[in-house]
Amino acid sequence: QLQLQESGPGLVKPSETLSLTCTVSGGSISSTNYYWVWIRQPPGKGLEWIGNIHDSGSNAYNPSLKSRVTMSADTSQNQFSLNLRSVTAADTAVYYCARRNYGSGRCDYWGQGTLVTVSS
Amino acid sequence: QSALTQPASVSGSPGQSITISCTGTSSDVGGYNYVSWYQQHPGKAPKLMIYDVSNRPSGVSNRFSGSKSGNTASLTISGLQAEDEADYYCNSYTSSSTWVFGGGTKVTVL
Repeated sequence: QLQLQESGPGLVKPSETLSLTCTVSGGSISSTNYYWVWIRQPPGKGLEWIGNIHDSGSNAYNPSLKSRVTMSADTSQNQFSLNLRSVTAADTAVYYCARRNYGSGRCDYWGQGTLVTVSS
Repeated sequence: QSALTQPASVSGSPGQSITISCTGTSSDVGGYNYVSWYQQHPGKAPKLMIYDVSNRPSGVSNRFSGSKSGNTASLTISGLQAEDEADYYCNSYTSSSTWVFGGGTKVTVL
């Protein structure tokens, strides 16, 4: 059974970089069959797609965040990561990692989510 | 990219059927058969209910069904049950090779 687990600081200061890692177990991220996705949800609000990474190296990011986002993968650790630079209070959210099937909109496995608060 | 448009809330009595709409444009919902629906209970991660417009993952009740007409996708829940009370989000691929969510719909079982 595939499992995803987000990890990283729960508190980040304004203007600093938010860094999260998603550790995948029960399957390999080194597969062209899947995209690895980050999604966030501000408290009391809806879901927002942040971006995805693929084994081919083709990444895609939300245009509204593109200038501040970088995603990468570490296949040796079976992890993928999110860096969001110059954060503000508006970046406070629960951050989820997920797996999406290639050639489909099917995000079938999700992490439990991790709350990141931006505050001094 | 603009969020897809969903009604803020939909309600129904147990046993009834309800439909949640998700309206986009020809650059997202109308242009691709990559519309998914997710159910989210409070404090939980979203759960995939429908993918690629009308496909149901194994383990999801056949009371959930999806469809699309033009730029609007729909999720129908038949035989509404108390456990269906949750937030529902649609998600679509876009012509910019990105993905966009709807604003979410709160389903209340009366």
